Formats: sequence, C-alpha cells, structure tokens
Amino acid sequence: GNSVTQMEGPVTLSEEAFLTINCTYTATGYPSLFWYVQYPGEGLQLLLKATKADDKGSNKGFEATYRKETTSFHLEKGSVQVSDSAVYFCALSEGGNNRLAFGKGNQVVVIP
Amino acid sequence: GAVVSQHPSRVICKSGTSVKIECRSLDFQATTMFWYRQFPKQSLMLMATSNEGSKATYEQGVEKDKFLINHASLTLSTLTVTSAHPEDSSFYICSARHPGRKETQYFGPGTRLLVL
Repeated sequence: GNSVTQMEGPVTLSEEAFLTINCTYTATGYPSLFWYVQYPGEGLQLLLKATKADDKGSNKGFEATYRKETTSFHLEKGSVQVSDSAVYFCALSEGGNNRLAFGKGNQVVVIP
Repeated sequence: GAVVSQHPSRVICKSGTSVKIECRSLDFQATTMFWYRQFPKQSLMLMATSNEGSKATYEQGVEKDKFLINHASLTLSTLTVTSAHPEDSSFYICSARHPGRKETQYFGPGTRLLVL
C-alpha cells in the first residue's frame, strides 16, 4: 500500500538557518504529493503540492521537488523565521477519491 | 479562504458513554469529508470517508458500529464514538474536500477526546 516516511525527531534551529525536512514515499502508481503545516492550536493547512514528477511546489519561501527516481519530496527553506515554528506533515494521495496518507510529522522549532 | 470547524475542541467522558463530534464547512459545500485519528507522535490515520447522502466508507480495521458517521448535509458531518472506552482516547480530526479546488482538503482544528 501507499506510505510516507519522514525523518525522525523534532528539528530545532536558529532564525535564518536553512531548513530541510526529508520525506520519502511508497506508492503503487503516480501519486500527488503534499506538505501540510499545523501551527499551534490550528488545523492542518496545505503548504504546497506537486502532482507529477519533477514538479516543484513552492509557497511562503518553502520549496519541494517531486523526485520520482528517489521517491522523495523533501521540504526546504533557505532562511527560517520564528513564525515558521510548527509541525510539518508530508502526504500523498492517489486515485480519484483523494484519500491522503500522511507521514508522522516533524515538529520544527525556530529559536530567535 | 475555506474554513472547517469542529465541535467540541475537547471532551472528557466516562467509559461506556457515547460522544458526538461535529465537523462543519463554514463557507463552502463539501460533498466529501474525511475523519482521521491521531495518536501522540504518530501520523494521521484515515478512519473513514464521509459522503453526503450516502453511507460512509470505512478504512480496514475501523469498526463501523463503533464509529458512526453521518453526513446529512453539505456542510455537516458527525462522528459518534459509541460506548467509548479509554483506548478510544485520541485526537480526532476532520477535513472537507473543496469542490472547486482539485485535491485540496481543508482541515478542522481537531477534537481531543479523553475517556475515563
């Protein structure tokens, strides 16, 4: 079945540092890939998405490229801010009903 | 933007009682809503897909009689945890698919259930 794997553990970094969160997936076909973000006390929000190989999703300075050859969709941001502190979930969907499979999520804490 | 609300945000109940959680799409009509469950430090696990006017589709291993889902209108889906037990304590999250925005789900803030 479909599955998503995110790197283990929280991520703590200083303001203006470079952020990378790894995400790899297993799918039987050609899924769409997503990054969702959950700010404290709020629901998950779509951050960015990519629907086919080599597509790059981008939003709010975050980027992720759909790499079919490595089955990856790593999230990157060049210079994080304290306001980027949140939990980030990688997800995929396959098929017309848009059922989502999520990774475990990564807590990101940005220190001033 | 598209907003999805959940009520209540937090509920504590006694073992053996039933609890109803509401999920509403506030500014759009959603023919499809989804219910997820999240354990601490775990990913969201899809429980069921709720379709307006028809029976919900449950994921493998989810008890239909335990988790009753009703999607009676285009803006409301409810999840009822029947005869709740401590192992049902969890964080329940709903999402609604926006009809005009392909593949985009909008999530509620979640409901924390604690069964004593």
